[in-house]
Amino acid sequence: NAGVTQTPKFQVLKTGQSMTLQCAQDMNHEYMSWYRQDPGMGLRLIHYSVGAGITDQGEVPNGYNVSRSTTEDFPLRLLSAAPSQTSVYFCASRTRQGTGNEQFFGPGTRLTVL
Amino acid sequence: SQQGEEDPQALSIQEGENATMNCSYKTSINNLQWYRQNSGRGLVHLILIRSNEREKHSGRLRVTLDTSKKSSSLLITASRAADTASYFCATPMGYNNNDMRFGAGTRLTVKP
Repeated sequence: NAGVTQTPKFQVLKTGQSMTLQCAQDMNHEYMSWYRQDPGMGLRLIHYSVGAGITDQGEVPNGYNVSRSTTEDFPLRLLSAAPSQTSVYFCASRTRQGTGNEQFFGPGTRLTVL
Repeated sequence: SQQGEEDPQALSIQEGENATMNCSYKTSINNLQWYRQNSGRGLVHLILIRSNEREKHSGRLRVTLDTSKKSSSLLITASRAADTASYFCATPMGYNNNDMRFGAGTRLTVKP
């Protein structure tokens, strides 16, 4: 199993550009989520999904869109990049919702917005 | 807003010593999890303790939970240079506990 994979590993954008961060998992996990990690602030939840076709907002959803058309994939779209979105983005997955089950994290995407 | 807050922010010890990190949280929880993050990598789950448990062990890790004080501690015994990493506590929140809140982490450095 590859686990949780993310692409790209690094990305530089100009203000106003849009892009999609890719996330895929091969563990048949129902729950997937996106976090951003900023220095000294830990991880903050952006959006999550409890299954294909179902998404919901987390703590910091503004400026991001998600969709979940398959169990395996959960892309994160930046609609119009801003310097405040410079961060490291992590995708995670786990089995079934509403429990304390272990989350598996991808290696992260380091995004810089100029 | 952050749910968990780790203390200390940074900790530096010698190999072989024990390392203790603390986490405080604000609202009632049904479990608390600890994760490790090596520099430039994703987080790795270490241990989960449920609200009805007071102590849990996993290898050289010992986690305690005091729900009356809303606090948890992670003890790493006989530390190794390879334990150098950041350690985060996390608690599920919100409807169906789908919102996982992380603290800012403790940066542990173990000197050989």
